[in-house]
Amino acid sequence: AQKVTQAQTEISVVEKEDVTLDCVYETRDTTYYLFWYKQPPSGELVFLIRRNSFDEQNEISGRYSWNFQKSTSSFNFTITASQVVDSAVYFCALSEADNAGNMLTFGGGTRLMVKP
Amino acid sequence: GAGVSQTPSNKVTEKGKYVELRCDPISGHTALYWYRQSLGQGPEFLIYFQGTGAADDSGLPNDRFFAVRPEGSVSTLKIQRTERGDSAVYLCASSLQLGELFFGEGSRLTVL
Repeated sequence: AQKVTQAQTEISVVEKEDVTLDCVYETRDTTYYLFWYKQPPSGELVFLIRRNSFDEQNEISGRYSWNFQKSTSSFNFTITASQVVDSAVYFCALSEADNAGNMLTFGGGTRLMVKP
Repeated sequence: GAGVSQTPSNKVTEKGKYVELRCDPISGHTALYWYRQSLGQGPEFLIYFQGTGAADDSGLPNDRFFAVRPEGSVSTLKIQRTERGDSAVYLCASSLQLGELFFGEGSRLTVL
């Protein structure tokens, strides 16, 4: 069975601080996909990134970066120089290859509050 | 519109009633998903359509829940004999690429 754990339920930072959101996953598959989604106060989930299990390269997109480590089953998300607009709930998710990446298992989410 | 549209945005009903929730996906997206999100939790998978057929309905909690997508576009999630535990936000999403789901704003269902 697959499982995603986001141990941090809520994080509060001051604008311009860096912040890392943790994600730990469990799966028996050797092929799987990992995702991050953002849910702003409006409620609409927004796709941020997808990684497959064979690609452990870290990724950077602007102020966002992701660190995938298979050895620790973690896929952490860092926001550099956080801004008030980054305030949202962030979800990590996992999909196993046998359902072709179509059934996502989400973690419980981390609520990030960025204060001015 | 350009995004996934869900109606109604809010639905309040009484225990035992029948409810229909509608989803209009992004034009051209063949894959459509229903998820359910309870307060303070992550979304839970319910069902996935590829075209008109339900490719995976393993997340539907019981036989009171049913979903259709008769013409491969709009989908309706149907809940019979609603229970208080069905109260949640029901999210619809569509996609073209694996895992890159475009979500609607959800339908908030409250069962009294």
